Order: sequence, then C-alpha cells, then structure tokens
Amino acid sequence: QVQLVESGGGVVQPGGSLRLSCAASGFTFSSNGMHWVRQAPGKGLEWVAFIRFDGNNKYYADSVRGRFTISRDNSKNTLSLQMNSLRPDDTAVYYCAKGTNWGSDYWGQGTLVTVSS
Amino acid sequence: QTVVTQEPSFSVSPGGTVTLTCGLSSGSVSTIYYPSWYQQTPGQAPRTLIYSTNTRSPGVPDRFSGSILGNKAALTITGAQADDESDYYCMLYMDSGPKWVFGGGTKLTVL
Repeated sequence: QVQLVESGGGVVQPGGSLRLSCAASGFTFSSNGMHWVRQAPGKGLEWVAFIRFDGNNKYYADSVRGRFTISRDNSKNTLSLQMNSLRPDDTAVYYCAKGTNWGSDYWGQGTLVTVSS
Repeated sequence: QTVVTQEPSFSVSPGGTVTLTCGLSSGSVSTIYYPSWYQQTPGQAPRTLIYSTNTRSPGVPDRFSGSILGNKAALTITGAQADDESDYYCMLYMDSGPKWVFGGGTKLTVL
C-alpha cells in the first residue's frame, strides 16, 4: 500500500532554515510527480510546491518562491523541501502528497513546523 | 489574483444528498482545471476523494461523485452519513505558472 512519511519538522527561529523529508513506498516513486501542501493552525490547505517525476521541473506558490526549494532523490524514494528565510506565517503542518492527473491521490500524515522566537 | 470559491458551510440530513461547489472569482471552472476534492476531519491528514473532475480515488465509495455543474466543479454526496461530517476542499490546476490553488473549504454538518 502507498505510504508517505514526513519528517524534519520542529521549532525554528524567524530567518532560520529547516529541511523536510518525505519517505515514499508502495508505488513507483520515480514515475509520479509530488506535491508539498501546508496547513496553518486553524486554516485551510495551501499548495506549496510540485516537482515532476524526473525532477526536471519544479513549481512554487508565490508565497514561498525564492525561499523554498523542492527536490527528490528517485534512488532513495525521497522527496525533500528545503525551507530558508522562514517567517512566522510559515508555521503550519506540512504534508507531502503523491501527484496524479494534475491532482493528488495519497497524502502523508504531516510534520509540524513552528517558526517562533 | 485568482480566488477559488467554496461555500463556507453546508448542512445535510442523514441519508440526504448534498452538492458542494467550487468556482472561480472570475471565469468558469471546466475540466481543463482538473478539479480535485479532499476530505479532512479535525486533526487528520486530508483524504483524496476525487481527482481529474470525476475519478474516484481508490477505496472511496461511489456515493461520492464529481462533476462540472454550470460554471463550477461539484462534489455530490448521496446517502449522507454521520462520518461524512468533515471539511471538504477543492483544488484547481492553473496552467499559468503552473500552480495549484485550493478553495477555502466547506464545513459540512450532518444533522
């Protein structure tokens, strides 16, 4: 069965950096695009970034472009999100999601990122 | 700035049918936006119900269906059950970017 397990969340000061990972299993990781989606406390879902199956194309929400970098290692079935210049409004649960047909079909359980001094 | 619109809240009686919609602040939603629908209960990760307008995700019962109704995407739940009480989000693909945009979500109450 498809499993997505996020890790790397924690508490970081404003202006700091954090790297999230998502370990994928149960499907052919190298054949699927992958998303990062976040949810601030008490708020709705916000799409963050997408990477194509081969890693050659990456797309970002305006709110994170230039600060966040999505990447993947198909040899390790791992998706990553490098987050720099973090701000308090980046505080959220971050989910990785398997892409399909311009949407997504499976989600991880999420990892909490808290940006606070 | 494109805004994806959803009803903030909706209620349905047990056993009833409800249709939630997903629109655009300007323009019409069509299949080229590949609308998808997600269900989320408090404290849980989202669960995919529908992608690419009307394709059910594996394991989703057929009482959940997706369509285009008029100028909006729609999620119809037939035979509503108590555990359908959740937040429902739609997401649209925008090829200018490209990017994906979520609606603000609909809180569905079953009572």
